[in-house]
Amino acid sequence: DAGVIQSPRHEVTEMGQEVTLRCKPISGHNSLFWYRQTMMRGLELLIYFNNNVPIDDSGMPEDRFSAKMPNASFSTLKIQPSEPRDSAVYFCASSLRTVSTDTQYFGPGTRLTVL
Amino acid sequence: SQKIEQNSEALNIQEGKTATLTCNYTNYSPAYLQWYRQDPGRGPVFLLLIRENEKEKRKERLKVTFDTTLKQSLFHITASQPADSATYLCALGTGGGNKLTFGTGTQLKVEL
Repeated sequence: DAGVIQSPRHEVTEMGQEVTLRCKPISGHNSLFWYRQTMMRGLELLIYFNNNVPIDDSGMPEDRFSAKMPNASFSTLKIQPSEPRDSAVYFCASSLRTVSTDTQYFGPGTRLTVL
Repeated sequence: SQKIEQNSEALNIQEGKTATLTCNYTNYSPAYLQWYRQDPGRGPVFLLLIRENEKEKRKERLKVTFDTTLKQSLFHITASQPADSATYLCALGTGGGNKLTFGTGTQLKVEL
């Protein structure tokens, strides 16, 4: 199995630009999670989906962030407009079932730098 | 406020010794706790899960304990090896939904 796939792996953009991060979960997995990791705040959950439906978006910093999951094999996280403080590593993870004890499988992350 | 605390300073130990990492939490009532390993430039990888009604869990050289009275989990690696060097993250699940809340992680360095 290919695991969770994220693209791009690195993104450098200028403040004010739109950024779109992409994620393909493991085939057959029913939950998808978006995280952000920084040195200061660690790994923070932004939003998660069960069966393509957003369940909890309380971690989304503000209206500049949006996430979609149009089908079971694809999700996007969009930042518009981007700001320097959005610079971080963004991880996507998936789990097989929508139960709380399931293992989460993480992708390799997208390192975002906003200048 | 809710907090999950792991040692922010790196833990350096000698090869062959037992490494013990700590995860303390406040204002949570977790139904379970997971431990993950993260190597530089990679996403976290699941290691072990322990439920609130379990005191201890083992997997090969790994052992996790969970004390809901002390609000603490300990993660042990016995006979440590340089390949065990990584950052270790604890994550709490409260049972309300299937989300996890992660600690900031502890960096472990195993030296020859």
